[in-house]
Amino acid sequence: GAVVSQHPSWVICKSGTSVKIECRSLDFQATTMFWYRQFPKQSLMLMATSNEGSKATYEQGVEKDKFLINHASLTLSTLTVTSAHPEDSSFYICSASIGASSGEQYFGPGTRLTVT
Amino acid sequence: KQEVTQIPAALSVPEGENLVLNCSFTDSAIYNLQWFRQDPGKGLTSLLLIQSSQREQTSGRLNASLDKSSGRSTLYIAASQPGDSATYLCAPRRNTPLVFGKGTRLSVIA
Repeated sequence: GAVVSQHPSWVICKSGTSVKIECRSLDFQATTMFWYRQFPKQSLMLMATSNEGSKATYEQGVEKDKFLINHASLTLSTLTVTSAHPEDSSFYICSASIGASSGEQYFGPGTRLTVT
Repeated sequence: KQEVTQIPAALSVPEGENLVLNCSFTDSAIYNLQWFRQDPGKGLTSLLLIQSSQREQTSGRLNASLDKSSGRSTLYIAASQPGDSATYLCAPRRNTPLVFGKGTRLSVIA
């Protein structure tokens, strides 16, 4: 089956610093990748959709200048949390889709971000 | 905008019971629906994918049904085991990313 990896799996950073999270599709080319955020005991909330080679589309309420998304290749998307604050502490999960909008989404294992 | 509701929010059962987890969604014009499992602090494991043209899908002890017109899906778990303890999420999809419900937290007690 299609495999999606995330790196790092967990990260602790100080308030005010920036953190980059990578999402890779290991055995397929993903034209579209999605970034979700999940707070404890809550559901996954979509943050943004990124298509290779174009700007990401952010969901309402998500600050595009704070959460920078780059989808430079068909196998890699990155999410950079800039000037992180404790309220940004969360579980970030990416997913990738092979092509058609109705296709299956494959999920990464998630990245636990803790901002101190 | 698609809204997904899962009932019950939490469920605790003794080992061996057959279970029913319910999912309802407001926009029935979907292409497919997926059921996922999430263990604490972990990512998502896809359990079943039902296309809009299908009525049900089976995988081992799991059976998922879909009634698209009424906006409902049900996940049946037969002969539950302690290893089934996790949060179960359903996610319908149209031409947009998956939208998730809050899930059902299942505890199977040995």
